[in-house]
Amino acid sequence: DAGVIQSPRHEVTEMGQEVTLRCKPISGHNSLFWYRQTMMRGLELLIYFNNNVPIDDSGMPEDRFSAKMPNASFSTLKIQPSEPRDSAVYFCASSPLRAHGYTFGSGTRLTVV
Amino acid sequence: TQLLEQSPQFLSIQEGENLTVYCNSSSVFSSLQWYRQEPGEGPVLLVTVVTGGEVKKLKRLTFQFGDARKDSSLHITAAQPGDTGLYLCAGDEQAGTALIFGKGTTLSVSS
Repeated sequence: DAGVIQSPRHEVTEMGQEVTLRCKPISGHNSLFWYRQTMMRGLELLIYFNNNVPIDDSGMPEDRFSAKMPNASFSTLKIQPSEPRDSAVYFCASSPLRAHGYTFGSGTRLTVV
Repeated sequence: TQLLEQSPQFLSIQEGENLTVYCNSSSVFSSLQWYRQEPGEGPVLLVTVVTGGEVKKLKRLTFQFGDARKDSSLHITAAQPGDTGLYLCAGDEQAGTALIFGKGTTLSVSS
């Protein structure tokens, strides 16, 4: 298994531009999570899905952030418009439903200038 | 809001030394997990503890879950440079809810 696959690995964009981050979870994992990691705040949960349905999006910072999971093998996190304070490493993780352990992707390092 | 406090924030030791890092909360957790993260990569699961008082060993690493299921510790015996990394604890209020992460302990082991 290739694990959780995220793309791109690095993204540099100008303030105001739209950014789309992509995630392919492990086949058979029914839960998918988006986290953001910064030095100041650590790993913060943004949103998670069970069986492609968003369960908790209370961590999404603003309306500029949106996430979709159109099918079991793909999810996107979109920021529109992006701002410098959105600069962080964004991680996607997946797990079997109600399982304790997560498998994380390698992350997308986003820099907004 | 549940919070997981980890201590110490940074730890720098020599190869062969022993160390303990802590993860504390005022809330009760269904389970606690420990992850290790290396630069440029995502966290990797080391262990899950679910029963109060539970102790698990993984080679030179010993994990303990507090009796009240509010805290946990990770002890490393005879640390090696390969143990260097960010150690994160994470807990869930109940199975099926998303994990809350502590900010981590950055461990540096020099030879």
